[in-house]
Amino acid sequence: KNEVEQSPQNLTAQEGEFITINCSYSVGISALHWLQQHPGGGIVSLFMLSSGKKKHGRLIATINIQEKHSSLHITASHPRDSAVYICAVRSGRDAGGTSYGKLTFGQGTILTVHP
Amino acid sequence: DGGITQSPKYLFRKEGQNVTLSCEQNLNHDAMYWYRQDPGQGLRLIYYSQIVNDFQKGDIAEGYSVSREKKESFPLTVTSAQKNPTAFYLCASSATSGDYNEQFFGPGTRLTVL
Repeated sequence: KNEVEQSPQNLTAQEGEFITINCSYSVGISALHWLQQHPGGGIVSLFMLSSGKKKHGRLIATINIQEKHSSLHITASHPRDSAVYICAVRSGRDAGGTSYGKLTFGQGTILTVHP
Repeated sequence: DGGITQSPKYLFRKEGQNVTLSCEQNLNHDAMYWYRQDPGQGLRLIYYSQIVNDFQKGDIAEGYSVSREKKESFPLTVTSAQKNPTAFYLCASSATSGDYNEQFFGPGTRLTVL
């Protein structure tokens, strides 16, 4: 079983629909990231959160540390939201005590929004 | 503009040849990372470096080598010992001073070994 599991793996929606992508993890973490990867391959960081909820435009990310679960929501989805959405967790500090940023990634959710 | 550049975007090599992928950043970040992405799998860490002249193996370092002679540069060499080198390679960087240092990613290099 992977340390970070995303669901669904593929998601198709019609423009305007509310979308939810889920991420569950099995390790203790210090932070969780949501990333967006467009067809060209470049990756953009959407959110980094360690508790609660963050909102940026039509995107909302929530995390429940006790349940080891995070969700990414997209309201009023648009075809330009079509991309791969990746959940990644930072599993704390290294032996030296520094948070150098080692991330463990989910396999990604492929989102396609049709007009 | 600050950012991370990777070159080239597409790279083709014959089997048995070593190839070096470039990664440069002007974000003044101390830490740099190399990841490999295969279809249907999450990104996997190959090597990382927290400071100049120092680097550590990640989860899948076999068949790869790196150097960190300058803060701005972290080139990755895919050697002939790497059994399945065809993949998408992503470089990233981050600061190391805070508690939750965001990683910034480059555009990636798609390597195809023929």
